[in-house]
Amino acid sequence: DAGVTQSPTHLIKTRGQQVTLRCSPKSGHDTVSWYQQALGQGPQFIFQYYEEEERQRGNFPDRFSGHQFPNYSSELNVNALLLGDSALYLCASSRGGLQGTLAFFGQGTRLTVV
Amino acid sequence: SQQGEEDPQALSIQEGENATMNCSYKTSINNLQWYRQNSGRGLVHLILIRSNEREKHSGRLRVTLDTSKKSSSLLITASRAADTASYFCATSNTGFQKLVFGTGTRLLVSP
Repeated sequence: DAGVTQSPTHLIKTRGQQVTLRCSPKSGHDTVSWYQQALGQGPQFIFQYYEEEERQRGNFPDRFSGHQFPNYSSELNVNALLLGDSALYLCASSRGGLQGTLAFFGQGTRLTVV
Repeated sequence: SQQGEEDPQALSIQEGENATMNCSYKTSINNLQWYRQNSGRGLVHLILIRSNEREKHSGRLRVTLDTSKKSSSLLITASRAADTASYFCATSNTGFQKLVFGTGTRLLVSP
């Protein structure tokens, strides 16, 4: 069982650019949640995808969008990058949507915006 | 925004000592979870306590929950150097999803 896998591990982008991060959930899981963790802070919930739809969203602007594919994998897209978007982006997978099981986290993607 | 505040922000102890971390939160919860994070990478789930529970044990971990004070504590007994990590509490009011994390405690265990 590969667990939750995220790619890439590290990424450097220029302010104003767009970025796509990818997540493959743990085998048997159908729900993917994304979190942003700024340096020295706890993770903050961005949104959750279940059955290919965004089910819940945290307090993040529309520049943050996502997608879930039929195989349950997910992408996080961030447009018009700001320096403040520099963070560790964590993907968590679970089963059963909003009332689902405990979440398992991936190792994260470290995004640096310069 | 972070809901939880953790105390202390940093803790430095010797191997064999006990480590206690505290977490306070602001709103009603369904459950509270503790996670460990090594070197700013992925989060590892340690233990979950539901709102109708007061204490839970798992190996060297002991968690307490006081919903009247909106606080929880994590005790790690007989600490090891491998326990060096950041520890976060996370709350949810909808099952186990949409976790709201605290600010974390950085634990350093010296040999």
